[in-house]
Amino acid sequence: EAQVTQNPRYLITVTGKKLTVTCSQNMNHEYMSWYRQDPGLGLRQIYYSMNVEVTDKGDVPEGYKVSRKEKRNFPLILESPSPNQTSLYFCASKRTVQETQYFGPGTRLLVL
Amino acid sequence: RKEVEQDPGPFNVPEGATVAFNCTYSNSASQSFFWYRQDCRKEPKLLMSVYSSGNEDGRFTAQLNRASQYISLLIRDSKLSDSATYLCVVERRAGSYQLTFGKGTKLSVIP
Repeated sequence: EAQVTQNPRYLITVTGKKLTVTCSQNMNHEYMSWYRQDPGLGLRQIYYSMNVEVTDKGDVPEGYKVSRKEKRNFPLILESPSPNQTSLYFCASKRTVQETQYFGPGTRLLVL
Repeated sequence: RKEVEQDPGPFNVPEGATVAFNCTYSNSASQSFFWYRQDCRKEPKLLMSVYSSGNEDGRFTAQLNRASQYISLLIRDSKLSDSATYLCVVERRAGSYQLTFGKGTKLSVIP
């Protein structure tokens, strides 16, 4: 089944404790992206990648890192999480620019 | 002017009604436009892409007006299952994968 998976789905952590949210897609898609969704602010793009080893900043990259060492995986790294990074995070992928973007199921993160 | 603006809603309509959502965008260089649907606490899903000539998919019709920088989505014969939040999405430059989402308009279809 074609899908985008994210892990973990739910995470509670404390300020400053490094964490990684994994994202994997099995559709051989070139493009992958991370978003965060907050009430009243909608979905905002954090980082995106247009190919292996090619990443670029979205609208809200501060406090986040990503890597794209292989096509299927695009992990989101929070080196030192802070409470303002409490949010719902979505990973997404698509094969080409023109095609449909598929979203993962989301990761709910609470930083205390 | 915000990059992508939508009617704030919520829209509460009876079954069978026709409902229209509007969206404006500020960047005239934007090339690609989409409508997504998001159910509560779920991931967004593409409803339809929006083409210059307008496009229709069953009960859904999308229109683009580049001169006015305006996108619309029309839902005819609303069903209970149409209840969701509808997101307007704009790609800032062709091929850039830089997507800006509107904040969404919540639709509730009432029996």
